[in-house]
Parts: sequence; C-alpha cells; structure tokens
Amino acid sequence: AQSVTQLDSQVPVFEEAPVELRCNYSSSVSVYLFWYVQYPNQGLQLLLKYLSGSTLVKGINGFEAEFNKSQTSFHLRKPSVHISDTAEYFCAVSYLQGAQKLVFGQGTRLTINP
Amino acid sequence: DAGVTQSPTHLIKTRGQQVTLRCSPKSGHDTVSWYQQALGQGPQFIFQYYEEEERQRGNFPDRFSGHQFPNYSSELNVNALLLGDSALYLCASSSRGQGVFGEAFFGQGTRLTVV
Repeated sequence: AQSVTQLDSQVPVFEEAPVELRCNYSSSVSVYLFWYVQYPNQGLQLLLKYLSGSTLVKGINGFEAEFNKSQTSFHLRKPSVHISDTAEYFCAVSYLQGAQKLVFGQGTRLTINP
Repeated sequence: DAGVTQSPTHLIKTRGQQVTLRCSPKSGHDTVSWYQQALGQGPQFIFQYYEEEERQRGNFPDRFSGHQFPNYSSELNVNALLLGDSALYLCASSSRGQGVFGEAFFGQGTRLTVV
C-alpha cells in the first residue's frame, strides 16, 4: 500500500532561520509529489509539485523541495522563514494509475517564533 | 473566479442523523474529489466523481455516498452519523483532461460535528 510519512509532527523555528520539513513515501511505481499548506480554518493551498524533470522544485512563498528517488524522499525547505509561514504543511503523493487521488501525510505544524 | 465553494461552513448533527454537504468546483473543472480530515490528521480520500459517476473510492463505508450533477457540482451524503464522523470535509476540483498535471484546488471545507 502506498503511504506518506512526515517525520516531524511539529517544528518550531525562529524567524529568519532556515527550515526543513521532511517527507518520505513508499511506492513501487512512479509517483507525483506535492506539498500543500493549510492556514488556520482554511482549505489546502498548493505550494509546489514534482511531476518530472529537475529534482529541485521551486514553489510559492520562497519554498523549494528536492525529490530523491533513491531515498524516496521529498523534503521541503525555506532558507529564511517569516511569521506568516506559521501553518500546517502536508506532503502528498499521487500515483500514475490514480490521477488526482492524493495520499497525504499526517502533517507538520510549523511554528515561527519571533 | 470564486474558486471552489463549499456549504455549509459549519454543521452540528446528532448521532444517527443524515447529512448532505455541497461543493461547487472551480470554473472549468469537471472532476470533484472529497476528503475527510480528522482533527490533527492529514486528509483522507473518500471518493472522486467525473461525468456524474463515482470513479475512485477510498476506504470508507457505504454510509458515505455522493452525487455529481450535470453542472459538475457535487454532494457528499453521510448516513447514520457516528461520533467518529466529526471532521473537516474538503472538496477538491480538477480537470480530468490534465491528469496528474492538473492542479487540485481545495475549498475551505465544511466542519461537521456529531454530538
């Protein structure tokens, strides 16, 4: 069965510090990878996605992620965070045979401290 | 463009009752997917509708059913509500023709509380 594991349930970071949110997936077939952000009392917003090509993907709000097939990982990074980045972040995968059906991780709560 | 709209935003129901949640997809989208997000968890796929038919289904009991209308809007129905059905229900719309290359846009969700 396909699954997504987000290794940290909570990540506290000081403002302007770098951050990495970790995501690993399990699959025996090709996958497409996504990171979504959820602000309080809101739906999900797409940050970035990996479909093919370059393994380094840049998204909105200064976030980027790197696809590592050998380690089955898709970690999210930002070199300098802002208070407004405080939110829940979800890693998700979609499979070639299940177009647009997303399998989500449990989420990582990113808290930015001043 | 109003994006994906869901109604109602909040709902309180009693155990055993039935509930209907509604979703209007983003303009130009023809596929609607429903997700359940329990508190502190990631969203879980319930099912997906395209051309008024259920195309894919997650691991949810038959108490969960849906419908898609000719204008692509969709309803999620849950019968015989259990306390464990309390969650945020998210609707996502996308364009089938774009496959995985098409972005899924999410609504703000309906918060269902079962008491």
